Order: sequence, then structure tokens, then C-alpha cells
Amino acid sequence: NAGVTQTPKFRVLKTGQSMTLLCAQDMNHEYMYWYRQDPGMGLRLIHYSVGEGTTAKGEVPDGYNVSRLKKQNFLLGLESAAPSQTSVYFCASHPWGAPETQYFGPGTRLLVL
Amino acid sequence: GENVEQHPSTLSVQEGDSAVIKCTYSDSASNYFPWYKQELGKGPQLIIDIRSNVGEKKDQRIAVTLNKTAKHFSLHITETQPEDSAVYFCAAPKGLSNFGNEKLTFGTGTRLTIIP
Repeated sequence: NAGVTQTPKFRVLKTGQSMTLLCAQDMNHEYMYWYRQDPGMGLRLIHYSVGEGTTAKGEVPDGYNVSRLKKQNFLLGLESAAPSQTSVYFCASHPWGAPETQYFGPGTRLLVL
Repeated sequence: GENVEQHPSTLSVQEGDSAVIKCTYSDSASNYFPWYKQELGKGPQLIIDIRSNVGEKKDQRIAVTLNKTAKHFSLHITETQPEDSAVYFCAAPKGLSNFGNEKLTFGTGTRLTIIP
């Protein structure tokens, strides 16, 4: 099993450009999350999904959109990138009933100029 | 909502010595507390967690203690080795209204450096 994979690993954007980050998991997990990690601020939840076709806002959702059309994929979109969105983005998943056991992907480093 | 505070933000210990990282939480209803380890260039990985019905849990050189009255929990690493160098995050559940599928609130992380 590959676990949780993220594409791309690194990306540079100009302000105003758009992009989509892809997260894929092969563990048949219901729950999937997108976090951003910034120095001194830990992991902050952007959006999450409790199953195929569902999405919900986390604590820092502004400027991001998500979609979960297939159970194994969770997409994070930036419609108009801003320098404040420079960060490392992590996707995670866990099976139903085990929220303490989140499996994280390797991360996507995004630089917005 | 849950607030989780983590200290210290950086910690350097001599190889072979012990390291302790502390976290406090605000929601007295929280009933499990995981710890994650993040190695350089990788995503966090669960290393141990403790449930609120026990005061201590051990796994080889790693132990976690919980004080429900004071609302704090700690990670203890004994006989530290170079491979213990990493960033460690504590976490606590945010709300208990989702039948065991609560979101996690993470601490701000502790960068542990083991000095050879």
C-alpha cells in the first residue's frame, strides 16, 4: 500500500494564479483532511471530508475550496493564490472511529510570489 | 473549542539523556491524546496515544503521562538517540459530538535535537 500520497511535492505560483493539490489514499478511509503548516503555528485544519461527496470547513478555510468526488481522492484548490498562502500543505486520512490515528501524506510545499 | 498549548518550542538534549515535552488542554471532556513525530521533509506520524482512563502508557523508550485534574499530558523519551531528533506534536480532540470521529487540535510543535 502506498498510504497517503500528495501531488505535487513543490510548486511556485505567482499571486493570482490558481492550482489544485491532489491527495490520494488507498486505505479505504472515510475521513480526509487538509492542513497547512506554518512556522510556530503547528497544523491548522483548512477543510475536511467525512465521506465521498461531503466536505466541511475547518478553522482556516478562506481562499481554499475542496472536492471529494471519489472516496480515495481529496482535492484542495486555490482559486487566486496570495502570498499568505505560502505554506506546507498536508493531507491526512483516518478510518471511521479512529480519529487519533491520522495518516499523513509527505506534504506539498507551496511558494506564492 | 479545544485549545492545546505545547512547551517548549525547542529542546536540545545530550544523547542518552531524557527529554520531556508538555501540553495543556482546555476541554475537560477530551478523552484521548495522541502524539505525532515529524521527521525532516515528511508528514507527521502517530507514535503513541493515551486514553483518559489511564494515567500512564509506555512503549519501549517512549511514555506518555496524563493528569486529568490539571488538564495536562506529557511525552517522555528516555535514553535518547540521534534518530529521536524531529518535531513532536501533541493533539487533543475538538468536541465530542461526532461519535468518536472528532477533529484534532494540534499543539504548535517541539523541535527536539539530540546532541551526539
